[in-house]
Amino acid sequence: SQQGEEDPQALSIQEGENATMNCSYKTSINNLQWYRQNSGRGLVHLILIRSNEREKHSGRLRVTLDTSKKSSSLLITASRAADTASYFCATDAGGRDDKIIFGKGTRLHILP
Amino acid sequence: NAGVMQNPRHLVRRRGQEARLRCSPMKGHSHVYWYRQLPEEGLKFMVYLQKENIIDESGMPKERFSAEFPKEGPSILRIQQVVRGDSAAYFCASSPGTTVYEQYFGPGTRLTVT
Repeated sequence: SQQGEEDPQALSIQEGENATMNCSYKTSINNLQWYRQNSGRGLVHLILIRSNEREKHSGRLRVTLDTSKKSSSLLITASRAADTASYFCATDAGGRDDKIIFGKGTRLHILP
Repeated sequence: NAGVMQNPRHLVRRRGQEARLRCSPMKGHSHVYWYRQLPEEGLKFMVYLQKENIIDESGMPKERFSAEFPKEGPSILRIQQVVRGDSAAYFCASSPGTTVYEQYFGPGTRLTVT
């Protein structure tokens, strides 16, 4: 089944550095979303990028989408301890708008 | 406006018992989604419901699992005769309309089967 695959699985960086996570998917999509999950908590929606968009910004977040490569990246600039969390990409299921498929996530750890 | 509420937050059941997980969607939301998350994994879709209707249950195991979203009251995910492999975090999300892009997630119920 179609699924986003995040890379790397885990990432540790120093506070203040930039963190980049990647997501690849298999079939054409209408939209791609990124979510954050703090340990033991539910998911929080971060950003949605449509298939006709190439880049989107929200605060310290920058998302890119390359539909030709079927990939997306999430960049967090000037990382903070509070950014420590798991980050998931999610894609719509083959053009359907009533179902999304999550990847396995990237576990980001910000070192003090 | 309260967010999506789930209860209990933690549930411990012995093998063979029943587990009932509840989800109250955000006010005004009539669409509910249930997901399961195993440790170190992403969320796996289980079922999508509207009031009194199951729209898509393609992610639900064929046996022991059922879900409902009655006209009144919360959505219920029921797991009968639980086994150790059912131990996971179960999340529900709600949305106001048919598009899935406005999903709001609850805090989850962590089920432990001993």
